[in-house]
Amino acid sequence: SQQGEEDPQALSIQEGENATMNCSYKTSINNLQWYRQNSGRGLVHLILIRSNEREKHSGRLRVTLDTSKKSSSLLITASRAADTASYFCATDARQYAGGTSYGKLTFGQGTILTVHP
Amino acid sequence: DSGVTQTPKHLITATGQRVTLRCSPRSGDLSVYWYQQSLDQGLQFLIQYYNGEERAKGNILERFSAQQFPDLHSELNLSSLELGDSALYFCASSFRTSGDTQYFGPGTRLTVL
Repeated sequence: SQQGEEDPQALSIQEGENATMNCSYKTSINNLQWYRQNSGRGLVHLILIRSNEREKHSGRLRVTLDTSKKSSSLLITASRAADTASYFCATDARQYAGGTSYGKLTFGQGTILTVHP
Repeated sequence: DSGVTQTPKHLITATGQRVTLRCSPRSGDLSVYWYQQSLDQGLQFLIQYYNGEERAKGNILERFSAQQFPDLHSELNLSSLELGDSALYFCASSFRTSGDTQYFGPGTRLTVL
């Protein structure tokens, strides 16, 4: 089952505009990670934010995390046509089995971002 | 380039057949994860290995199995293939068992005809 729900499902903007994608999840998490996927290719890791962090920046990316609302957002500023891709949030809810931890990621359905030149 | 390699990139086979997908983790990473991406199910966790031992199972069918070898590379074996097994299969790796960034390989696209 998908823990994360992303909103919107699709986003179409012009180059230079900002893009905001939201992710909600259901259980307590250890961290939340954002990935980008270009047209059926591999997943590229963008940023990891831990449960005790509220905001993180990486270049043109800004991620926020609100654990009380179980939600996160990814902001891409000054978007470029090359940012066109699907963006996924994935939650790492530290889990234990037999006394040892494991860290599967649970992915949302993703947001398809299209940036028009 | 994430440092995770997967072979083959594409695989086309027939129903009932068996295939093996291979993954080499990033240098130094001890955990290997397998995920399946399909149009109807999205990205789903299949199984995790850590330093040669199975650590967790997700939505992995009994027809599927995996192992991690002493050199830490991993193989995912899919048998008695069905049309619905057509998907992108990703391998990811991390240093610890949980809490770390997972770096994904380029994936193997499996088409079952």
